[in-house]
Amino acid sequence: QKEVEQNSGPLSVPEGAIASLNCTYSDRGSQSFFWYRQYSGKSPELIMSIYSNGDKEDGRFTAQLNKASQYVSLLIRDSQPSDSATYLCAVNKTGRRALTFGSGTRLQVQP
Amino acid sequence: DGGITQSPKYLFRKEGQNVTLSCEQNLNHDAMYWYRQDPGQGLRLIYYSQIVNDFQKGDIAEGYSVSREKKESFPLTVTSAQKNPTAFYLCASSRSDGITSDTQYFGPGTRLLVL
Repeated sequence: QKEVEQNSGPLSVPEGAIASLNCTYSDRGSQSFFWYRQYSGKSPELIMSIYSNGDKEDGRFTAQLNKASQYVSLLIRDSQPSDSATYLCAVNKTGRRALTFGSGTRLQVQP
Repeated sequence: DGGITQSPKYLFRKEGQNVTLSCEQNLNHDAMYWYRQDPGQGLRLIYYSQIVNDFQKGDIAEGYSVSREKKESFPLTVTSAQKNPTAFYLCASSRSDGITSDTQYFGPGTRLLVL
């Protein structure tokens, strides 16, 4: 089992729709969870961080965390073509500050 | 303008050659990290450093070396022992004071190619 698992996609949604990206992790002691967006050929940029169970909203983005199910998700409302990118889920490992990344989900927003 | 800089943007390595990738940050972050990304894959941790003059191996440290002589700088050397070095190399930094200090910010990356 991978430490952080994501569906590689591509996930294709029409412009204006809600995109739902999912991530599961194996380390029950993890406390910090992040979503990064990475455009092709560029470095990852932070979208959201979440540390507590529940939802956290920032503009069109909502992160959801369920530690009991070891599951974190990212919802993008009113998806735009400019949201087309790979979304990386990252989790801290117990006892190590460095993050463990999933392999990413490629999102395509169709105009 | 605060941020993380990496140089060069592209680097070409010949067989048997050691090359060094530069990473500098002016965010006053204590912790710095090096990751490697292969096409279609996530990031894998090479080395990380929580404070000056101290660093730890990550998941794929073989064939790489680092130093942390200054807070602002964390250079990565890809040695000739690294047999498959072609990848996108990403440097990151974070604060080191509490749970939210895990938030990492990335430099623009260096793409290493083997001639």
